[in-house]
Amino acid sequence: QKEVEQDPGPLSVPEGAIVSLNCTYSNSAFQYFMWYRQYSRKGPELLMYTYSSGNKEDGRFTAQVDKSSKYISLFIRDSQPSDSATYLCAMRGGGNKLTFGTGTQLKVEL
Amino acid sequence: EPEVTQTPSHQVTQMGQEVILRCVPISNHLYFYWYRQILGQKVEFLVSFYNNEISEKSEIFDDQFSVERPDGSNFTLKIRSTKLEDSAMYFCASSELIEAFFGQGTRLTVV
Repeated sequence: QKEVEQDPGPLSVPEGAIVSLNCTYSNSAFQYFMWYRQYSRKGPELLMYTYSSGNKEDGRFTAQVDKSSKYISLFIRDSQPSDSATYLCAMRGGGNKLTFGTGTQLKVEL
Repeated sequence: EPEVTQTPSHQVTQMGQEVILRCVPISNHLYFYWYRQILGQKVEFLVSFYNNEISEKSEIFDDQFSVERPDGSNFTLKIRSTKLEDSAMYFCASSELIEAFFGQGTRLTVV
């Protein structure tokens, strides 16, 4: 079983839609849960992170963590064509190493 | 806004040659990292560096790899004898505590 699993997509939605991106994980030691956005051939850009279980909101983005189910989500409201990118979940436990998912490719169409 | 900068953006090298990838982390950050991403695959951890020493490394980071902070601003990754399978995007990252910020990457092509 992979440590972090993420549906690679591609996911195509119309502009203005609510997007739901998800990851599951197997390592109970993970405590910090990050979401990164990556444009083609560029570095990952940190969107937000959450510690342990709960929700966190930042503008149009909401991150949710359910540690009991080992399931995390990122919601994007009022999606825009500029949101088209690959979204990476990443997690860490007590150390500093990040374990990434494979990324979900999102396309927001006009 | 502070950012992690990496040079060069693209490096082509012959198999067996040594390469040095360079990074300037964000100035007040304490933790430095190298990750790599083979085309079409996920981002993989290579090594973390804190207080002038390696704090953690992955199985990928074997004796062919080394890291150094030669002065107060640069952080380098050296690959001693490159192999074809070392072709990838290499990302440097830095963090103060939790949030790791990544550079734009160096695309290494081994021919």
